[in-house]
Amino acid sequence: EDKVVQSPLSLVVHEGDTVTLNCSYEVTNFRSLLWYKQEKKAPTFLFMLTSSGIEKKSGRLSSILDKKELFSILNITATQTGDSAIYLCAVLYSGAGSYQLTFGKGTKLSVIP
Amino acid sequence: DGGITQSPKYLFRKEGQNVTLSCEQNLNHDAMYWYRQDPGQGLRLIYYSQIVNDFQKGDIAEGYSVSREKKESFPLTVTSAQKNPTAFYLCASSRTSGITGELFFGEGSRLTVL
Repeated sequence: EDKVVQSPLSLVVHEGDTVTLNCSYEVTNFRSLLWYKQEKKAPTFLFMLTSSGIEKKSGRLSSILDKKELFSILNITATQTGDSAIYLCAVLYSGAGSYQLTFGKGTKLSVIP
Repeated sequence: DGGITQSPKYLFRKEGQNVTLSCEQNLNHDAMYWYRQDPGQGLRLIYYSQIVNDFQKGDIAEGYSVSREKKESFPLTVTSAQKNPTAFYLCASSRTSGITGELFFGEGSRLTVL
């Protein structure tokens, strides 16, 4: 079964709206949770979260992790058309003698003018 | 500028042919990875390498092969044994064997098998 589950899988909003993307996970030996943005081809790194309750912020984007409930959210305020992308959540955990990074299926965000 | 270069960006092949996708990085990263991305499937790990001359299978290694003869290079061969090779392939690297989880990605190679 999927270790990392993102919701919704797709979302259409109007410019100026605020959106919340969700990522839940179920792994043992959790190390960190990462968010990436994929606009056309190469995903680019947004945030890495390792501690519960500490918000990471970059401009209009922010993210927080809840290690007790095993989920993270990514918030985007005052959305712009340039925010249209696939947002990928990935969880880093240790297992089988190495570190494993597992991605969710992604949330496709479309921001319309 | 440092980065990851994948080539070719687009590739068309007939069924039954092996193809090799190139991935080169000049970031001096130890670890390199190959992912496959299908619509609605997210990224799935094919192979990864934490050090030169060593590599491990990921979740969907069947039908693929890799080599890591140089730190900078991690080519992926899609063999005729891969049942459904049409996909978008992403190469990535990380500083220290993936411990931080932060990956740097190439622009991808889109393979279409006719």
